[in-house]
Amino acid sequence: NAGVTQTPKFQVLKTGQSMTLQCAQDMNHEYMSWYRQDPGMGLRLIHYSVGAGITDQGEVPNGYNVSRSTTEDFPLRLLSAAPSQTSVYFCASRLAGQETQYFGPGTRLLVL
Amino acid sequence: EDQVTQSPEALRLQEGESSSLNCSYTVSGLRGLFWYRQDPGKGPEFLFTLYSAGEEKEKERLKATLTKKESFLHITAPKPEDSATYLCAAANAGGTSYGKLTFGQGTILTVHP
Repeated sequence: NAGVTQTPKFQVLKTGQSMTLQCAQDMNHEYMSWYRQDPGMGLRLIHYSVGAGITDQGEVPNGYNVSRSTTEDFPLRLLSAAPSQTSVYFCASRLAGQETQYFGPGTRLLVL
Repeated sequence: EDQVTQSPEALRLQEGESSSLNCSYTVSGLRGLFWYRQDPGKGPEFLFTLYSAGEEKEKERLKATLTKKESFLHITAPKPEDSATYLCAAANAGGTSYGKLTFGQGTILTVHP
């Protein structure tokens, strides 16, 4: 199993540009989520999904969209990038009924 | 509001010098307390899940314990390869099936040879 994979590893955007961060898992996990990690802030939940077609907002959802058309994929879309979205983004997944989450390697995003 | 606080922020040890990392939590209805290890430029790597006070889990030189208010990660005779940031997180019962995971800010551990 590859586990949780994320692409790209690093991206530079200009303010106002849009992009999609990709996340995929091959563990057949029902639950998937997106976090951002900022210095001194810890990991914060952006959006999550409990299954295909079902998504919900986390702690810091503004400026981000998600969709879940398959069990395996959970892309995160930045509609109009802002410098405040400069961060490291992690995707995670877990089985329903189990609490342990498994994280991807992260995408480092710089918005100029 | 759920809170997770880790201390110290940074810890420097000599190889073989045992110590403990602290994680204090305030969570409404704890569903699980998690420890992760994170290396620079990598994603968090799962170490332990603890579910109830008194529970202990061990893996190599690491041992995690849980009380009703805090968790400790004990490191026995650490080696330089144990150097990393250690993250603590707590999941609450929440109002949905998903629950909510609150992370601490992490403890940066450096072990010198």
